[in-house]
Amino acid sequence: EAEVAQSPRYKITEKSQAVAFWCDPISGHATLYWYRQILGQGPELLVQFQDESVVDDSQLPKDRFSAERLKGVDSTLKIQPAELGDSAMYLCASSKDSYNEQFFGPGTRLTVL
Amino acid sequence: AQTVTQSQPEMSVQEAETVTLSCTYDTSESDYYLFWYKQPPSRQMILVIRQEAYKQQNATENRFSVNFQKAAKSFSLKISDSQLGDAAMYFCAYRGIYSGAGSYQLTFGKGTKLSVIP
Repeated sequence: EAEVAQSPRYKITEKSQAVAFWCDPISGHATLYWYRQILGQGPELLVQFQDESVVDDSQLPKDRFSAERLKGVDSTLKIQPAELGDSAMYLCASSKDSYNEQFFGPGTRLTVL
Repeated sequence: AQTVTQSQPEMSVQEAETVTLSCTYDTSESDYYLFWYKQPPSRQMILVIRQEAYKQQNATENRFSVNFQKAAKSFSLKISDSQLGDAAMYFCAYRGIYSGAGSYQLTFGKGTKLSVIP
C-alpha cells in the first residue's frame, strides 16, 4: 500500500541552525500539506500546496520558515534559524485533491537545543 | 474560526469493553465534515471514521461508530470490543466545505490518549 514518506524521522539541532525536512507524497496526489504538532496538541496546518502552487500559508512563520514543491511532487520544509519553540513533530500529508481524504506520513520529530 | 474541543486528555478501557471519546466543535457553517483520526505511538496518523454533517445517519466502521448531534455540535466516538491495538492518541477534526482559495483546512482537537488494559 502506498504511503507518504518523510525524512529524517528524528532531527536534533542547536538553535540558530538551519534544518530541512523532506516529504514524498503518495504518487498521483496533487495536494500536499505540512503540519506542526506540538507535544500534547493536535496538528496545525503550516502550508498547503496544490501541485506546485501554495494554496494556504497563512499560518507559516515566514520570517524563518519556507516551503517548496518545485515540480509538484516531493516537498521540502526549511527552518532558518531554528528556535527553541520550534521543537515539535512535523507531519506531511497528501491527498488526491484538496477535498479528498488526507494520508499522513510518520513525521519528523525536531528537537532544538 | 472553527474550534474543536476534546475534554478528555486521557481515557482507559478494559480489553473487550466499550469506550466513548467526546468531542465538541464550534462553527457557523451548516455543512462540513467531521473526522476521528488515530495516532499510534511512533506511527502515522490514520483516518478512523468520517461524518458528513448533512447526513443524519451516524457513521459506522466495524467496531467504531459515532454519535453525531448536529444541534449540540457534538461528535463522539464509540469503540466497541476494545483491543490492545486500539491504544493510541485519538484526534477529532473538523473540515469546512470550502475555506477560500481552495483550502480545505483540517482543524484538530488536542487529542485523547486511550489506554487499553489487558
